[in-house]
Order: sequence, then structure tokens, then C-alpha cells
Amino acid sequence: DGGITQSPKYLFRKEGQNVTLSCEQNLNHDAMYWYRQDPGQGLRLIYYSQIVNDFQKGDIAEGYSVSREKKESFPLTVTSAQKNPTAFYLCASSRGGGSYNEQFFGPGTRLTVL
Amino acid sequence: GQQVMQIPQYQHVQEGEDFTTYCNSSTTLSNIQWYKQRPGGHPVFLIQLVKSGEVKKQKRLTFQFGEAKKNSSLHITATQTTDVGTYFCAGSEGSQGNLIFGKGTKLSVKP
Repeated sequence: DGGITQSPKYLFRKEGQNVTLSCEQNLNHDAMYWYRQDPGQGLRLIYYSQIVNDFQKGDIAEGYSVSREKKESFPLTVTSAQKNPTAFYLCASSRGGGSYNEQFFGPGTRLTVL
Repeated sequence: GQQVMQIPQYQHVQEGEDFTTYCNSSTTLSNIQWYKQRPGGHPVFLIQLVKSGEVKKQKRLTFQFGEAKKNSSLHITATQTTDVGTYFCAGSEGSQGNLIFGKGTKLSVKP
């Protein structure tokens, strides 16, 4: 089946630790995105990548880092510098960059900082 | 920066009643997309509107894009319990820009 996978589904981390969230897609999509979702909020863009080995900051990139070494993979690291990391994190992909392409979302990772 | 405002934030309806959510932007949008997120799930693409005044229908769902391309609406006729979820609009000022998501309208349907 084609799609996007995110792991783990739930993640607990101690304050001050870095943690990496996985996102893999087998849709052969060029563009990938990371969003953060908080209760009552929309989706806020953290980072995006339109092509391998290139990525750009979104609206709330502070405290996060990404890499795009392979077309299929776009891992997100939540660093200890992120002040309020507890949230639901969604990865998405689209055929190309820009706003005209439909985005396909993964099931999400719910991160809780203890 | 660009903002996409969505109202209402919550809507509770009796099954069979109609439902509408509205999306507004202070700037002209190149396109708008609508997504649905079921409780505990992830957003799923519903539709995209591109043309001024465009109207599209999907069974009981009707999507409209305003003449000035600054607003959009999603109307559900005769809601069913399967319509429960949060509906998001997402727009962009330019085709090369990123989508800006509204905060969503959470719909609950009482059987």
C-alpha cells in the first residue's frame, strides 16, 4: 500500500532531551512537510522540503531541525531548545511543492514531555 | 503575515440539520483546499477550489470560493454522524507559496 508512515504513534520524553520523529513515504512525492497541531489550533508549518538535500524553515522552526537525505524520508528532531514541545506532530507529502498540490498526511506522533 | 480565519470554532448540530463553516482571508488567495480530520485521526484532503466564484459538490457537501477569492465556505446538507470531525480550510496567496491552515471548525452531530 502506498502512503505515509510515522513512528512512533506516542512518544514520551524527559525535559531537556532531544527526540527524533520518523516520517517515511512511498508515494514518490518530491515535497514533504512537518506540522505541529495543538488543541484548538490549526496546523502550523515547522519545516518543509521540496527536493532531496534541501529544506526551508516554516513559521515555527525554532527548536526543531530536519534532514532530507533520501526522497522517502524526512525525520524531525525536537531539540531541548523547543520551549513547549508537547503536541501532535503531523508529517505530510505532496507530489510537488507549492500550494496547488494535495497534501497526504501520516497518522501523526503525539509527543509528551514529562 | 498571511492569515486564514475560520468560523465557527465549534458547531453542535442535531443529526439531519445543515452545517456551514466559513473561511476568510484579508488577502486574495490563489487557491483554497479543504481537509477533514476525524477524531483521533489525521487530515484528509477533500477538495481544492481555484476559480473565482467556483462551486463544487461532493454528495451532501457543497464548497464555494468567493468572487473576490478572499473567502470560502463548506456546507453540509442533512448532517450524519459520519460527518463528525474537524474541517480545515487552507489557502495560499501564490501557487509557489505554502498552504496556511485555518484553525478549523469542530463539528459534533447528535443522533
